[in-house]
Amino acid sequence: EVHLVNSGGGLVQPGGSRRLSCAASGFTFSSYWMTWVRQAPGKGLEWVATITQDGSDRYYVDSVKGRFTISRDNGKNSLYLQMNSLRVEDTAVYYCTNEDWYRFEYWGQGALVTVSS
Amino acid sequence: QSALTQPPSASGSPGQSVTISCTGTSSDVGDYNYYNYVSWYQQHPGEVPKLIIYEVSKRPSGVPDRFSGSKSGNTASLTVSGLQAEDEADYYCSSSAGRGNLRVFGTGTKVTVL
Repeated sequence: EVHLVNSGGGLVQPGGSRRLSCAASGFTFSSYWMTWVRQAPGKGLEWVATITQDGSDRYYVDSVKGRFTISRDNGKNSLYLQMNSLRVEDTAVYYCTNEDWYRFEYWGQGALVTVSS
Repeated sequence: QSALTQPPSASGSPGQSVTISCTGTSSDVGDYNYYNYVSWYQQHPGEVPKLIIYEVSKRPSGVPDRFSGSKSGNTASLTVSGLQAEDEADYYCSSSAGRGNLRVFGTGTKVTVL
């Protein structure tokens, strides 16, 4: 059974940093692109970032480019999102998902990041 | 990187059908080179999104055939036939974009079963 477990959420001040993690099991992690999707409170889904199987290519939504970094450790079956220079508008539940040709089949439970002073 | 456009709400009585549109541009939904990469997600309140349609019209295992997808030009559509109470949820489309390097979600549609 596929499991994606998000961790690392919490309260952070504007301008601060936070690192999210996603532990994967139940599938061949190294064979899948992986993606972060976020959802602000009461709002819709927003694609944030995607990383290829070997980590050689990474793609970001314009609003986080230069501030967020997606990475992975295939030896640990883990995905990460390093978030720097956080803004109030980054407040959201962050989901990790596996991606197979632009479809997101399995989702983590989400990690709430609240950016507030 | 603008969100795909969906109607904010749609509704129908049990047993009826409801169709939700998802309008993009020639750079995403209508991209000639990535024309098949539209998917749909169902999200009940407080729950994680669930994939219900991928590659425009394919259903993952376990998704009822009451859910169907189609696409024409820059607009994709999701039809829910034979509406049931449990279909009341938010629905989001998504597509490849930016010559395949990006992804984009729709604005979301709240479906109400009357």
